[in-house]
Amino acid sequence: AQKITQTQPGMFVQEKEAVTLDCTYDTSDPSYGLFWYKQPSSGEMIFLIYQGSYDQQNATEGRYSLNFQKARKSANLVISASQLGDSAMYFCAMREGGIAAGNKLTFGGGTRVLVKP
Amino acid sequence: KAGVTQTPRYLIKTRGQQVTLSCSPISGHRSVSWYQQTPGQGLQFLFEYFSETQRNKGNFPGRFSGRQFSNSRSEMNVSTLELGDSALYLCASSLEGTGINSPLHFGNGTRLTVT
Repeated sequence: AQKITQTQPGMFVQEKEAVTLDCTYDTSDPSYGLFWYKQPSSGEMIFLIYQGSYDQQNATEGRYSLNFQKARKSANLVISASQLGDSAMYFCAMREGGIAAGNKLTFGGGTRVLVKP
Repeated sequence: KAGVTQTPRYLIKTRGQQVTLSCSPISGHRSVSWYQQTPGQGLQFLFEYFSETQRNKGNFPGRFSGRQFSNSRSEMNVSTLELGDSALYLCASSLEGTGINSPLHFGNGTRLTVT
């Protein structure tokens, strides 16, 4: 069963507007962490934001915020005031708790964002 | 602080050959993970090393192996290369051992092309 689902393969957004990237996940582990990464065409994976399963508040990091709805198992990324440099692939990932999981991340298929001037 | 360094950036190999990729983690990080990224399969976990021990392994054939040295640097090896091994190989390091809130920091990757 797919653990991380990103249903939007690609999307356009106008510069300076906000965009929401969808991510749903599936796990039976009560302890887990959700991450969003950005991958420009250069290939590097850039960490954006983290949300823990026990966190009471939605995470925010500058222009990035995470809309965490635990009951619906969704962790959508919101990018406010889009910039041309935001054009990239965006990946949602999950790490389940427990020693056996270690630092293994399970990734979604990604969403390609293109910011139009 | 230097980031995760992967060498080489690009490799072209022939089917049947073997290849070794190198990863130097961020200073102080003891966990190193490897991921394969292809257009068809996306990002897939290969294995993770922590304190020179393989802690976790993904669903890849035995041709894929790795190791970690005492300075936390890691290498992965792919033997008997196949065309399907063409991919971007990403290495990631993390400070914590098992902290779910500790982000993985990735290198720029090694793009392997098998002809």
